[in-house]
Amino acid sequence: AQTVTQSQPEMSVQEAETVTLSCTYDTSENNYYLFWYKQPPSRQMILVIRQEAYKQQNATENRFSVNFQKAAKSFSLKISDSQLGDTAMYFCAFMKLMAGNMLTFGGGTRLMVKP
Amino acid sequence: NAGVTQTPKFQVLKTGQSMTLQCAQDMNHEYMSWYRQDPGMGLRLIHYSVGAGITDQGEVPNGYNVSRSTTEDFPLRLLSAAPSQTSVYFCATLRPLGGGGTDTQYFGPGTRLTVL
Repeated sequence: AQTVTQSQPEMSVQEAETVTLSCTYDTSENNYYLFWYKQPPSRQMILVIRQEAYKQQNATENRFSVNFQKAAKSFSLKISDSQLGDTAMYFCAFMKLMAGNMLTFGGGTRLMVKP
Repeated sequence: NAGVTQTPKFQVLKTGQSMTLQCAQDMNHEYMSWYRQDPGMGLRLIHYSVGAGITDQGEVPNGYNVSRSTTEDFPLRLLSAAPSQTSVYFCATLRPLGGGGTDTQYFGPGTRLTVL
C-alpha cells in the first residue's frame, strides 16, 4: 500500500513571494504519477500539476513547479509570485500506473496568502 | 459540456435512513470513482468502476453500494446512514492513457452529507 505524507498542516506567505509545500510518499512501485490538487473554499478539487515518475524533468505549469526526487520519494510544490487566489488547501496525491481510479492523498496543507 | 455533476449539493439524513448520491458525466470517460473527505483530511477511495457493469471496492467501502449500468452514471447508495458517514463526497472520472486519455482524474463539485 502507498502512503502520502504532508508534514506542514498550515503555511502562510506574503503576496508576490515564493512558497514551497512539502510532500513525501512511500511505495514499492517504480512507475506512477504524482499530483498536486488545490481545494479552495468552494471545495472544488482542481488539478495544479502532475509528474510522471519515469520523467526526470520536473513539471512546471506557469507559476507552479515541482521538485521531484524519486530516490528520496519527495515531491514538493513551489508557488512563485503568490497571489491571493492561491489561498486554499493543497493536496499531494499518488497514483500507480494503470490504476486510474485509485488516488492516495496526503492530509493536505492549508496555504494562506497574505496581502 | 457540463463535465462531472453531482446531486444533491447538500443533504441531511437521520441515522438509519437510506439515500443515493448521484454522479453523472458527459465526457465519455471509462473510469469513475467515489471518494469521501472527512474534516481536515485528504480524500479516501470508497468504490470505483473501470466501465459499465464493472465495479470494485476501494479503501473504505463499508456501508456503501454502487452500480454502473451506463458509462455516464455512477450512483453511490448509503444503505443505512450512520453519523460516521458524515462527510463530503466527491465523484471523479478519468479516461485512461491507453484509451486516448490523460490518466488524470477530474472531480465533481462534491456533496456535503450530514447524518444526525
